Amino acid sequence: DAKTTQPTSMDCAEGRAANLPCNHSTISGNEYVYWYRQIHSQGPQYIIHGLKNNETNEMASLIITEDRKSSTLILPHATLRDTAVYYCIPGGSSYKLIFGSGTRLLVRP
Amino acid sequence: GAVVSQHPSRVICKSGTSVKIECRSLDFQATTMFWYRQFPKKSLMLMATSNEGSKATYEQGVEKDKFLINHASLTLSTLTVTSAHPEDSSFYICSARQSNQPQHFGDGTRLSIL
Repeated sequence: DAKTTQPTSMDCAEGRAANLPCNHSTISGNEYVYWYRQIHSQGPQYIIHGLKNNETNEMASLIITEDRKSSTLILPHATLRDTAVYYCIPGGSSYKLIFGSGTRLLVRP
Repeated sequence: GAVVSQHPSRVICKSGTSVKIECRSLDFQATTMFWYRQFPKKSLMLMATSNEGSKATYEQGVEKDKFLINHASLTLSTLTVTSAHPEDSSFYICSARQSNQPQHFGDGTRLSIL
């Protein structure tokens, strides 16, 4: 399973963009990059995933570098409800998700 | 769409009893379901992968006789913690996926063994 490196914690001001980086330099060619977040005492919430191309949905944008060794999750206008732990997880054909430590994002008023 | 329901959300029971947790996919058929546990201030740890109609595949170090998993239908998987002891107290979370789609998670079950 590919390992990931994410900052332990980050913060941003409410209304500003939150850019969460993830390094996944050992990702294999058929593994997607999944992003989930976990708000305290709840199950993880799916945000977005991608393989090679950048992706955007109603929650976020995902920018994947051309060599696929890193990616950035962008929350365009962070709100207080976006405070959570964000996990970047490579996932392949087995569909298992192995969670790392994630990034604790604090959105400040 | 893609709603996963877990029941109960919280359970407190005496040491030595068995506890069953249900995980249901409400609006899709789940070809695969997964069970995780999470200790306070720690990340989720995958316990097992469950495919409908077949035996679950357990991760290394997870006792299959302790944590019984049944995936009898495409919308229901159950986890039974047998002869539970205080060290089994944890937050148990299930997820479900259908073909070529991401996993979606339930809201977890907080298990406390006295």
